Amino acid sequence: KNQVEQSPQSLIILEGKNCTLQCNYTVSPFSNLRWYKQDTGRGPVSLTIMTFSENTKSNGRYTATLDADTKQSSLHITASQLSDSASYICVVNTNAGKSTFGDGTTLTVKP
Amino acid sequence: ETGVTQTPRHLVMGMTNKKSLKCEQHLGHNAMYWYKQSAKKPLELMFVYSLEERVENNSVPSRFSPECPNSSHLFLHLHTLQPEDSALYLCASSPQGARKPMNTEAFFGQGTRLTVV
Repeated sequence: KNQVEQSPQSLIILEGKNCTLQCNYTVSPFSNLRWYKQDTGRGPVSLTIMTFSENTKSNGRYTATLDADTKQSSLHITASQLSDSASYICVVNTNAGKSTFGDGTTLTVKP
Repeated sequence: ETGVTQTPRHLVMGMTNKKSLKCEQHLGHNAMYWYKQSAKKPLELMFVYSLEERVENNSVPSRFSPECPNSSHLFLHLHTLQPEDSALYLCASSPQGARKPMNTEAFFGQGTRLTVV
């Protein structure tokens, strides 16, 4: 069964600190993995997409990694800001276009 | 703004009411989707339309009825809902149509917060 598991479920950090969110998956056949950010009361917005051959990709203060062998991805946030408070969702897509969503990690950045 | 607009943003309806959710995309995309997002649950794909043709229906109860009159508009008609249907309903669109819609980036609307009383 295709599954996407994210950890931690929630996280509280102080402004300016770094954090790392995890995503483990069993989806097959793997096509790509996306990280979305969802602000409260809004729809998700794509941060990065990782394909099989990519190990690391950055988008500003967000850096995603992918280990296709262990089927793990991480999203690292550097120098966190209050506006980073949101839910971060990992989505893994198959070659057939099927998407499996993780439960998300709720990040709270406090001043 | 993502180019995908949903109305209304909030909706409270009784179990005997009939209402409709509207989604409009201004991005020229070929595929549109309805998702349900309940508290502490992952997004659940409800319907997929590609070039106005329904290509996927994930065993959604018949009290939810989608309509896609053209590639820019998507509706979700609601009738005789249950309290457990209360959730955030998200519409999304993506450039690629046919059978591989989600391998391209999906652009989400801001959602309709539905409460069934």
